Amino acid sequence: AQSVTQPDIHITVSEGASLELRCNYSYGATPYLFWYVQSPGQGLQLLLKYFSGDTLVQGIKGFEAEFKRSQSSFNLRKPSVHWSDAAEYFCAAVNPFSGGGADGLTFGKGTHLIIQP
Amino acid sequence: DTGVSQDPRHKITKRGQNVTFRCDPISEHNRLYWYRQTLGQGPEFLTYFQNEAQLEKSRLLSDRFSAERPKGSFSTLEIQRTEQGDSAMYLCASSDRDRVGYEQYFGPGTRLTVT
Repeated sequence: AQSVTQPDIHITVSEGASLELRCNYSYGATPYLFWYVQSPGQGLQLLLKYFSGDTLVQGIKGFEAEFKRSQSSFNLRKPSVHWSDAAEYFCAAVNPFSGGGADGLTFGKGTHLIIQP
Repeated sequence: DTGVSQDPRHKITKRGQNVTFRCDPISEHNRLYWYRQTLGQGPEFLTYFQNEAQLEKSRLLSDRFSAERPKGSFSTLEIQRTEQGDSAMYLCASSDRDRVGYEQYFGPGTRLTVT
């Protein structure tokens, strides 16, 4: 079955420190990959996406992610976090080659990011 | 572009009652998706429409759930005979494969509490 795994339920980082959130996927073929952020009372906002090509993708708010096929990973990084980055982060995937119109995103369970002052 | 809107934002209902939620997608988007998110979990796909056609339904969508998109614009999600297990955040998203590819834009959600 297709799945997305985020191994870390909670991560605490000091403000100004670097951040890496892990995401692993299990798909027959390389899926399209996304990172979304969800703040309390807000909808999901797309941070960045990977379809093909350059394995290091840049997103909004200073985030970047690196796709590693050999590790089936798509980890999210930020060199220096701000208190406003505290939120829930979701990795998601879709298999564009599944046919039959299978279009729904498969999400991981999320990582709750806490920023320490 | 006013974004995806959902109404109501919160709904409290008693077990056994029917509820209906509305989603208005970004106006030029032809695809509309419904997801359900329970506490501590990521969103789970329920169903999606291309224009007015419902093209896929997850096995999570029991017979008590029905979704419509009658004119290919807004969509409604109805839950009949609600159960406590239906308590969740219901998220709507829209996209347009030709314009934005596989990106989906999400609304703020409707939080349902079944008492």
